[in-house]
Amino acid sequence: GEDVEQSLFLSVREGDSSVINCTYTDSSSTYLYWYKQEPGAGLQLLTYIFSNMDMKQDQRLTVLLNKKDKHLSLRIADTQTGDSAIYFCAETSNDYKLSFGAGTTVTVRA
Amino acid sequence: DVKVTQSSRYLVKRTGEKVFLECVQDMDHENMFWYRQDPGLGLRLIYFSYDVKMKEKGDIPEGYSVSREKKERFSLILESASTNQTSMYLCASSKQGRDTQYFGPGTRLTVL
Repeated sequence: GEDVEQSLFLSVREGDSSVINCTYTDSSSTYLYWYKQEPGAGLQLLTYIFSNMDMKQDQRLTVLLNKKDKHLSLRIADTQTGDSAIYFCAETSNDYKLSFGAGTTVTVRA
Repeated sequence: DVKVTQSSRYLVKRTGEKVFLECVQDMDHENMFWYRQDPGLGLRLIYFSYDVKMKEKGDIPEGYSVSREKKERFSLILESASTNQTSMYLCASSKQGRDTQYFGPGTRLTVL
């Protein structure tokens, strides 16, 4: 699959905003996703954005897409301890396959 | 809600054993997927299936095979388990085409 890159770790104070960044190389990506994985659990779809959109907001989550730079970000407002998890960026350009980043481990400290 | 279940949460096997990992989805989805997850590598696709009895190799199919005899069930088979197959295995399903993939809770397999 095409390359998807994310930083591996992010530490944030409770109540602050978290920003998780992702870059991808496939210019034909059509859908880009953010998944959350809590300890010992599978992946939960958080949100997704279609490639013709710049931004999508859903409650505390804001997704920004810069298609020119192939950069995707997820902002979590008012970060809570329950937001501690691994966050995966993923993209798809063909019919079936998702390409995942390595995941960003977010640690929320009091 | 979509439900994807996997037969075991934790499994310990010995080198050379034949291992079956089962996945079942209850939403009549066409597509099913098997991934393995390793620290620092994210999720890598092993095999996927877009219809009963159909299968396609993913990025890392070596050492694995799959079976899809019924629409709701997708099995991952390790013919002769090796220690480098110790990993977290995640199953997913999607309705069709590029639809969102929904994941099961994962099976953590340890091969001794």
